Amino acid sequence: DADVTQTPRNRITKTGKRIMLECSQTKGHDRMYWYRQDPGLGLRLIYYSFDVKDINKGEISDGYSVSRQAQAKFSLSLESAIPNQTALYFCATSDGTGNNEQFFGPGTRLTVL
Amino acid sequence: GENVEQHPSTLSVQEGDSAVIKCTYSDSASNYFPWYKQELGKGPQLIIDIRSNVGEKKDQRIAVTLNKTAKHFSLHITETQPEDSAVYFCAATPPKLSFGAGTTVTVRA
Repeated sequence: DADVTQTPRNRITKTGKRIMLECSQTKGHDRMYWYRQDPGLGLRLIYYSFDVKDINKGEISDGYSVSRQAQAKFSLSLESAIPNQTALYFCATSDGTGNNEQFFGPGTRLTVL
Repeated sequence: GENVEQHPSTLSVQEGDSAVIKCTYSDSASNYFPWYKQELGKGPQLIIDIRSNVGEKKDQRIAVTLNKTAKHFSLHITETQPEDSAVYFCAATPPKLSFGAGTTVTVRA
């Protein structure tokens, strides 16, 4: 969805490197999320933020950190990448009202060698 | 926390036949159950949802049913078409949105 963009779309890196994945949205939503997708495990929540001053851990936050630089930007960092962080990463947004539908970006495929 | 189980993990159907995906959830506080479709190379997209105050909802060829007593809900796709081939995720909330493991649906021409 063009309203939620992620960069880079693909990244190959080596064990121990620091990696940052970036997410930007033009939907004007306050809530932003980072998920990772692994085969057979579905989507698991890493971190989420309900506004610029709010950061919350999800179910699998170890090894990751996030920064909410502005309402429209939410970045995910891997301080020291390891091979089991190889996955597809998605950013999502929601406005927190009604059904709280989440809108996903196109994903970043990360490979850690 | 919420635990959502989804079956089957893969489903192959002949074009024109129906497809059914089933999910169960554990947290009785959950009252909103969305279904997302993920096409190749894209992020998941909401296709239909249901709240706990209704038992069934339909939108053209897709429908969802909910049995709150048994804590399970299902997605039904009728008259399947090649463009229905995708990965489908069920989810439940509150508490936070918890996803099933996904079902890869392949529609054979």
